Amino acid sequence: QQQVKQSPQSLIVQKGGISIINCAYENTAFDYFPWYQQFPGKGPALLIAIRPDVSEKKEGRFTISFNKSAKQFSLHIMDSQPGDSATYFCAASMRAGTPLVFGKGTRLSVIA
Amino acid sequence: DGGITQSPKYLFRKEGQNVTLSCEQNLNHDAMYWYRQDPGQGLRLIYYSQIVNDFQKGDIAEGYSVSREKKESFPLTVTSAQKNPTAFYLCASSMRLADNEQFFGPGTRLTVL
Repeated sequence: QQQVKQSPQSLIVQKGGISIINCAYENTAFDYFPWYQQFPGKGPALLIAIRPDVSEKKEGRFTISFNKSAKQFSLHIMDSQPGDSATYFCAASMRAGTPLVFGKGTRLSVIA
Repeated sequence: DGGITQSPKYLFRKEGQNVTLSCEQNLNHDAMYWYRQDPGQGLRLIYYSQIVNDFQKGDIAEGYSVSREKKESFPLTVTSAQKNPTAFYLCASSMRLADNEQFFGPGTRLTVL
């Protein structure tokens, strides 16, 4: 049973556009929701994370929107750049020190 | 520099052989994790450890074994019982009593010949 569903699988966005990736979770005990960015052949790197007591968090061009009642959260990349082309994973976990449950990833391609 | 190191970066194994993947961290993190990544599958949890000398199975532990004798080290052994071991293996670590920010190592790509 997949606990975190991520969509779309792949996304092509024009340079300067907005990239939007969505995730839905099932376990209401989750209280930490990070997004990771991964380049080919590299380990994932934490991009931004949110806890359910806030509905939005912004860091530079990256924003997480969180809807607790719908059990959904999304990543918005503003002014997308070719350097943003990577695979993005959403994840969720419970208390600190517990494993992350990952979505299956979204391959983003930003074209000029 | 603080971080997580994994070695080797590439590993080739013949069928029927056991192989051990190394993971070391100098972040003073309590918890360590092993994930397996396959194309289109995301990251799946193999094993994790929250303290020294203790570890728990993840979703796909069959055919794998781990040890946690030191806080800094969490090696993963891929045994001959693992039916399809060719994959990208990622080690991560985090604090146990703080935000659950997990840091990942650079990964080991294992290929079974």
